[in-house]
Amino acid sequence: GAGVSQSPRYKVAKRGQDVALRCDPISGHVSLFWYQQALGQGPEFLTYFQNEAQLDKSGLPSDRFFAERPEGSVSTLKIQRTQQEDSAVYLCATATGEGGYEQYFGPGTRLTVT
Amino acid sequence: AQSVTQPDIHITVSEGASLELRCNYSYGATPYLFWYVQSPGQGLQLLLKYFSGDTLVQGIKGFEAEFKRSQSSFNLRKPSVHWSDAAEYFCAVSSPEDYKLSFGAGTTVTVRA
Repeated sequence: GAGVSQSPRYKVAKRGQDVALRCDPISGHVSLFWYQQALGQGPEFLTYFQNEAQLDKSGLPSDRFFAERPEGSVSTLKIQRTQQEDSAVYLCATATGEGGYEQYFGPGTRLTVT
Repeated sequence: AQSVTQPDIHITVSEGASLELRCNYSYGATPYLFWYVQSPGQGLQLLLKYFSGDTLVQGIKGFEAEFKRSQSSFNLRKPSVHWSDAAEYFCAVSSPEDYKLSFGAGTTVTVRA
């Protein structure tokens, strides 16, 4: 496709449920990032992939958060046992080449935990 | 660690007037600087970027920004604002050593007729 796509666009989960958020990158983009954007705040880094390798997961807030990119293309961010504080917009961004200095963002998935 | 400060939470400007959004960064070496715009329900769109060279950079939609190392600033400007410029604007920084973007808290721009 022409840009980064994310699905679902909106997700409502009951506290304690597991959720999976999908990111389809721009074709050929090597670098893939996940960010979390709380209401009224700027995005905050969660994790970074270069192809299928997860090179940085320093921003993941707890061990309930897990991300994968098994074939170096589509990525999934999984949150286990969701909590209310997980409510946020989750943004995926991709970039050509290593390092990914110019990042292109998807529309995000808005997660609401009730 | 790198960080970004956007001092103005909300700016209201009349259509046709000029706009300047402030951004200050904290980083020891040469930063890579970005401005993104986010409209309601939309993802972030890159307006412009600075990596090196000419400190005045031109972007899309008539925006420009100036990198001032002495002031650790990267302010965004537009000479004449259109109603469609109403959105939230984010300044961000990364570096050759740290590819992840660090964002400011954002500035909301309201355009009045």
